[in-house]
Amino acid sequence: ETGVTQTPRHLVMGMTNKKSLKCEQHLGHNAMYWYKQSAKKPLELMFVYSLEERVENNSVPSRFSPECPNSSHLFLHLHTLQPEDSALYLCASSQEGEKLFFGSGTQLSVL
Amino acid sequence: GQSLEQPSEVTAVEGAIVQINCTYQTSGFYGLSWYQQHDGGAPTFLSYNALDGLEETGRFSSFLSRSDSYGYLLLQELQMKDSASYFCAPQTGGFKTIFGAGTRLFVKA
Repeated sequence: ETGVTQTPRHLVMGMTNKKSLKCEQHLGHNAMYWYKQSAKKPLELMFVYSLEERVENNSVPSRFSPECPNSSHLFLHLHTLQPEDSALYLCASSQEGEKLFFGSGTQLSVL
Repeated sequence: GQSLEQPSEVTAVEGAIVQINCTYQTSGFYGLSWYQQHDGGAPTFLSYNALDGLEETGRFSSFLSRSDSYGYLLLQELQMKDSASYFCAPQTGGFKTIFGAGTRLFVKA
């Protein structure tokens, strides 16, 4: 148990669906992250929030919309996704960015 | 641009020592982390080097040379459970960490 909880663990959605991924950290950290992990590719940083402000947005398509209502919660809202968006989506948290604690991830399949 | 290089696969036997190298080229650099990821699991933090030199944590050690943009992870007394993917991850900004493609380590009996 890393102190970072992600739900759901698995998600199957159609291209016209809207869904949200949820992440909660119980570590008192001041930064939260979304990473995407596709087969055979490095982890890709998508978004970073520090103290509820977005500090990184790595040219992610607008069909991915992050939300950070407070320092413990992070959401990733998904709409009109494409099959190539199928991947493992990992949430992480850190204090000052040095050491990331990852959640178990959401395995997303877009049909 | 930014680049990371580490070997794609390494195979070693139980009880042996293995070194996984990482070279990086980044626009900013704060330090170098290493993460372990088992199949089906999430990455877990192993070590972080902000300064040149060797950091030791049990069977694992990590080295950094900032002038050479180079680091390595050293795993000693290998065990079967060490079979996993290992990622070097430079911290390139205050809250930005990028990951390499990872090195898949196979430990044989």
